[in-house]
Amino acid sequence: EAGVAQSPRYKIIEKRQSVAFWCNPISGHATLYWYQQILGQGPKLLIQFQNNGVVDDSQLPKDRFSAERLKGVDSTLKIQPAKLEDSAVYLCASSGTAEQFFGPGTRLTVL
Amino acid sequence: AQSVTQLDSQVPVFEEAPVELRCNYSSSVSVYLFWYVQYPNQGLQLLLKYLSGSTLVKGINGFEAEFNKSQTSFHLRKPSVHISDTAEYFCAVTGPAGNQFYFGTGTSLTVIP
Repeated sequence: EAGVAQSPRYKIIEKRQSVAFWCNPISGHATLYWYQQILGQGPKLLIQFQNNGVVDDSQLPKDRFSAERLKGVDSTLKIQPAKLEDSAVYLCASSGTAEQFFGPGTRLTVL
Repeated sequence: AQSVTQLDSQVPVFEEAPVELRCNYSSSVSVYLFWYVQYPNQGLQLLLKYLSGSTLVKGINGFEAEFNKSQTSFHLRKPSVHISDTAEYFCAVTGPAGNQFYFGTGTSLTVIP
């Protein structure tokens, strides 16, 4: 069974630039999550999708972050414009039931 | 709402010694509990989970954890650690609906040769 795929694995940008991350969940998983993990901290949920609808985006900085899950399969997370404090690993996870499966993450460095 | 506290941010331990990583949670409803491991530059990998049934849960790589409802704890243990166990360990909790996960801040386990 293929796992959760994410790309790119690494991204370096300058502040005020835009960036997008892509996630392809495990086939058949209805729920998809995006987390932000700042160095030394646990993952923080940014947004949760159930199929192509948003379940929870209460911690998503909506002035600069956006996410979509067209057709209820893969998803993109965008940051525009990026700030220095957005430097983090962005993790995507998917679940069919209670257990979440995580992708390898995208490490974003904002200079 | 649920929350998770990992009491130790760093745990150094000698190779082949036992280790316990502590996790406490707070919740007004029944919960599901998880331990994840994160190796450098990798995503999170599930070690073990408690959903229901026996309070002693065995996971991969020789780890086990015990759910203690009265003490609201879910401590992770291994009787003899290896160098390869050096990693970051996260405790997580979710409610019965299995929707939002709450993660602890992590415990960095360093196994000393």
